[in-house]
Amino acid sequence: EVQLLESGGGLVQPGGSLRLSCAASGFTFSSFAMSWVRQAPGKGLEWVSTISGSGGSAYYADSVKGRFTISRDYSKNTLNLQMNSLRAEDTATYYCAKDGRIVSPASGEFDSWGQGVLVTVSS
Amino acid sequence: AVQLTQSPSSLSASVGDRVTITCRASEGIRSGLAWYQQKPGKPPKLLIYEASRLESGVPSRFSGSGSGTDFTLTISSLQPEDFATYYCQQFNSFPPFTFGPGTKVDIK
Repeated sequence: EVQLLESGGGLVQPGGSLRLSCAASGFTFSSFAMSWVRQAPGKGLEWVSTISGSGGSAYYADSVKGRFTISRDYSKNTLNLQMNSLRAEDTATYYCAKDGRIVSPASGEFDSWGQGVLVTVSS
Repeated sequence: AVQLTQSPSSLSASVGDRVTITCRASEGIRSGLAWYQQKPGKPPKLLIYEASRLESGVPSRFSGSGSGTDFTLTISSLQPEDFATYYCQQFNSFPPFTFGPGTKVDIK
C-alpha cells in the first residue's frame, strides 16, 4: 500500500524559510516522479513543483520559481520542498503526490496523495 | 499555459440523479486530462485519468469522456458519498500542470 506522510509545516514570518518533507513507502520510489500541490484555505488546487524519478529534472510553477527547491533523498525515500522568501500568499495546505505511471520525466496524473501539511505565513 | 474552466461551479442534486460536469481547455490537450474528487479536510482522490480511464477501485458510476478541448465527468446515479468538490487537471502540456477551479456538488 502506497503511503505518503508529509511533515515540516507550521507558522513562519514573511521572508522566512521552511522545509517540507514527504516520507514515501509502498512503491519503488525511484521509478515515479513526485510532485507538490498546494491548496490555499477555501480555494482550489495549485500545482507547485515536480521532480522526475531520477531527480534529474525539476519543474516549478511561476509563482514559486526561484524561491522553492524540490529534491528527493533516495536513501530515505523522502521528497523535500525547501521554501525560501515565503509570502502571505504561500499560506496553504501542501500535499505531496505520486505520479500514476512510470513516465520520464513525469506523467502528471497523481494517483496517491499525502494527507497534507499546513504552512501559514504571517507576522 | 493551458487554462481550464469548469461548469457549473456548483450544483445541487439528489441521490440517484445523473450528474454531468464539464471541463474546457484553452487549447487542445488530446486525452491528457484527469478528474479528482475532494471531500472537506481530505486530499484529492484520482477518479479518471487519460480522460476516460477509470482508476482502480473507483465505482463504475463514474465515467469520463472527451478529447481535445472539451471533457465531461458523469456520475450516473449520485450516491450520498459522492457529495464533494470535483476538479479536472491537464497533464498533456507541462509545466505547468493545471487544475480547473472545481465544481462543488451538494445535496438538494
